[in-house]
Amino acid sequence: ILNVEQSPQSLHVQEGDSTNFTCSFPSSNFYALHWYRWETAKSPEALFVMTLNGDEKKKGRISATLNTKEGYSYLYIKGSQPEDSATYLCALGGGADGLTFGKGTHLIIQP
Amino acid sequence: EAQVTQNPRYLITVTGKKLTVTCSQNMNHEYMSWYRQDPGLGLRQIYYSMNVEVTDKGDVPEGYKVSRKEKRNFPLILESPSPNQTSLYFCASGDTGREQYFGPGTRLTVT
Repeated sequence: ILNVEQSPQSLHVQEGDSTNFTCSFPSSNFYALHWYRWETAKSPEALFVMTLNGDEKKKGRISATLNTKEGYSYLYIKGSQPEDSATYLCALGGGADGLTFGKGTHLIIQP
Repeated sequence: EAQVTQNPRYLITVTGKKLTVTCSQNMNHEYMSWYRQDPGLGLRQIYYSMNVEVTDKGDVPEGYKVSRKEKRNFPLILESPSPNQTSLYFCASGDTGREQYFGPGTRLTVT
């Protein structure tokens, strides 16, 4: 079982502030790194899938970077809004070895 | 509308009574998978399938069976459910190596 670690477990951020959190994973046999956003009472929705070292992806105010050599990815949210409140999941794999999720970072945006 | 459907959405059953949770996708995806979500443990992969007639164990396959006779369907079978299989179950599909699309979830309670 792959060890995918996310930190912090939870995070309270003031509306308008920017924030970031981390996903750490074993750097050997890397295939792909996924980020998902999971709102309460809904299903996880894909944000990004990254495959190349140095990849940077952006969707609106949310962006992500990937370092496969050292085994980490950062997710950034710029100018947090209440609708950004969710659990953010990263997952490693998605190829022949399946997909392993971290336990998530629970983000709460305070007005 | 492109979607992943699961049935039933909610199920309460008794120990030992065989049950099947269906999963269907209309996006012609090759890759399908099942996850369970438990508090404090995050999403854990039960089984996945990279194509018709090809299935592989995920991280927590004990007590579950799957089949992939058609590309669109990937049912999850619990031959003899036990209380420790009480959980929230998600089916997902996607192209291999790409983002996963999640179904709405099935909340299962085994008494």
